[in-house]
Amino acid sequence: TQLLEQSPQFLSIQEGENLTVYCNSSSVFSSLQWYRQEPGEGPVLLVTVVTGGEVKKLKRLTFQFGDARKDSSLHITAAQPGDTGLYLCAGATGANNLFFGTGTRLTVIP
Amino acid sequence: NAGVTQTPKFRILKIGQSMTLQCTQDMNHNYMYWYRQDPGMGLKLIYYSVGAGITDKGEVPNGYNVSRSTTEDFPLRLELAAPSQTSVYFCASSFTGQGHGYTFGSGTRLTVV
Repeated sequence: TQLLEQSPQFLSIQEGENLTVYCNSSSVFSSLQWYRQEPGEGPVLLVTVVTGGEVKKLKRLTFQFGDARKDSSLHITAAQPGDTGLYLCAGATGANNLFFGTGTRLTVIP
Repeated sequence: NAGVTQTPKFRILKIGQSMTLQCTQDMNHNYMYWYRQDPGMGLKLIYYSVGAGITDKGEVPNGYNVSRSTTEDFPLRLELAAPSQTSVYFCASSFTGQGHGYTFGSGTRLTVV
């Protein structure tokens, strides 16, 4: 079983601050996805990164895939209360499975 | 757009009872999945299907069964419910498989007492 570790597990910050969430593994993934999940709902896809070293931006969110395709980071600039939620990374392998990390629970305080 | 629809939203079962969690999608996706989410444990794959008539086990299949008679529907059957099956269950679908994003339903919260 591929293990995806996310850090930090919990993060509480003030509105306007910047933050970075990390997703690390000893396994190599063909692609890596980031999802955000709100209470009582299913995860919603934010981005998919495929190439080692790839950087994608989604408004104030910047996603990076590690050169060796074993890790990824999510950076949020000027966090807003609407960014509050559980952030999940998920790594895809050659098998038909998507392995999910345990998540980072972000709270942005107005 | 309905996307992935799961029913029921909540359910309480007694030990030994059985039930079926329903999942339907209207996006004509070939791939469908069932995950369970336990606190602090992330999502674990129970079963998946790559098309009508084809199903396969995931990481944690014991105590569950699935069927895929149509492209749209992928029900999950719990036989002889146990407290260890208390969890939130998510159904998801994808057009081309794990290399592309999944669309998730809103989940079924199941408690076995």
